[in-house]
Amino acid sequence: DIVMTQSPDSLAVSLGERATINCKSSRSVLYSSNNKNYLAWYQQKPGQPPKLLIYWASTRESGVPDRFSGSGSGTDFTLTISSLQAEDVAVYYCQQYYSTPPYTFGQGTKLEIK
Amino acid sequence: EVQLVESGGDLVQPGGSLRLSCAASGFTFSSYWMHWVRQAPGKGLVWVSHINNDGSSTNYADSVKGRFTISRDNAKNTLYLQMNSLRAEDTAVYYCARGGDSPLMPFDYWGLGTLVTVSS
Repeated sequence: DIVMTQSPDSLAVSLGERATINCKSSRSVLYSSNNKNYLAWYQQKPGQPPKLLIYWASTRESGVPDRFSGSGSGTDFTLTISSLQAEDVAVYYCQQYYSTPPYTFGQGTKLEIK
Repeated sequence: EVQLVESGGDLVQPGGSLRLSCAASGFTFSSYWMHWVRQAPGKGLVWVSHINNDGSSTNYADSVKGRFTISRDNAKNTLYLQMNSLRAEDTAVYYCARGGDSPLMPFDYWGLGTLVTVSS
């Protein structure tokens, strides 16, 4: 199974500042035939289900604010929130859908306001 | 509007059974792979099972293989998870989630979840 490891486990950032969350996979999730990274990011606010933010490592889901961006390739990925808003407080998860089953998630990163 | 509504969660004793349902609306249910994902209290997300669009292909996490069965009724736009031989470690909120037209797609819509508690 591919193991997804996020860092840090928790993060406190001031409003308006940049937040960066990292995700590392134990094997590459880049499919060479189409040059796509099978990596997604989800946001989960307290008491709510997860919400898809980013897929193919860098494609924003419809309706997701452009302050959210994804980058990386192969085994190392980053979710960046360019200017933190109060409503961005949540737990963020990365997920690989390259080698399935199982689909594996990172352990989550809790983002708070400093 | 895409909607997924889970039901069937309950308090059940160890060794017991439960069937979860997920009613889908707002999209062509029969065109999509569907998934169950669970989240134990205060913990992260764990994929449980998936089923292809016509129900002919299923897969399970090792932790539930042989105990859980996923199925679907495309005429009723409903996804199911039959859970047998339940254990304390199965206690979690169970979410149904929509995949894509292939298994190698992210989960773009999620239900609100249904809570399963396994305890004596």
